[in-house]
Amino acid sequence: AQSVTQPDIHITVSEGASLELRCNYSYGATPYLFWYVQSPGQGLQLLLKYFSGDTLVQGIKGFEAEFKRSQSSFNLRKPSVHWSDAAEYFCAVEFDTDKLIFGTGTRLQVFP
Amino acid sequence: EAGVTQFPSHSVIEKGQTVTLRCDPISGHDNLYWYRRVMGKEIKFLLHFVKESKQDESGMPNNRFLAERTGGTYSTLKVQPAELEDSGVYFCASRNRLATDTQYFGPGTRLTVL
Repeated sequence: AQSVTQPDIHITVSEGASLELRCNYSYGATPYLFWYVQSPGQGLQLLLKYFSGDTLVQGIKGFEAEFKRSQSSFNLRKPSVHWSDAAEYFCAVEFDTDKLIFGTGTRLQVFP
Repeated sequence: EAGVTQFPSHSVIEKGQTVTLRCDPISGHDNLYWYRRVMGKEIKFLLHFVKESKQDESGMPNNRFLAERTGGTYSTLKVQPAELEDSGVYFCASRNRLATDTQYFGPGTRLTVL
């Protein structure tokens, strides 16, 4: 079955530190790949997406993600975290079924 | 341009009662999706409308859930009768398939069944 794994349930970083959130998916074909963020009291906001082409994609709020086909991974990165980045982050994939499959989410806590 | 809106933002009901959730998609988006997140679990697909037709309802948990999209605009998701395990956050998303491959999400409705 198609699935998405976010192995880190909760991550804590200091403000200004770098961040990497991991995401792996299971399936042979390359899906469409997404990262969404949910801030407290807000809905899901799209950070970035990968469909094809350059495997390093840039998103909003200074985030980027790199698709690695050999590892079936799509890790999210940010060089310097801000306190406002505290939120829950979801990796999602879409195959040819026109529906998103989500990971369980990673909750990011930022200390000053 | 207004985003996806959902109503209510929070609903607390007792087991056995009925609740109706509403979703208004982005204007012009003919694809509408419902998802649900049960506490501690991943966000899961429930169903997909294309205009007023159900394209895929494979994620609907059981026949206590009824989704409609009359006229291809807003959608409702009714739970009748509600059970404790129906508690969670219900998200709606919409997409204009011709213009984008991105689903835009609403803020969600938090349903608590006591």
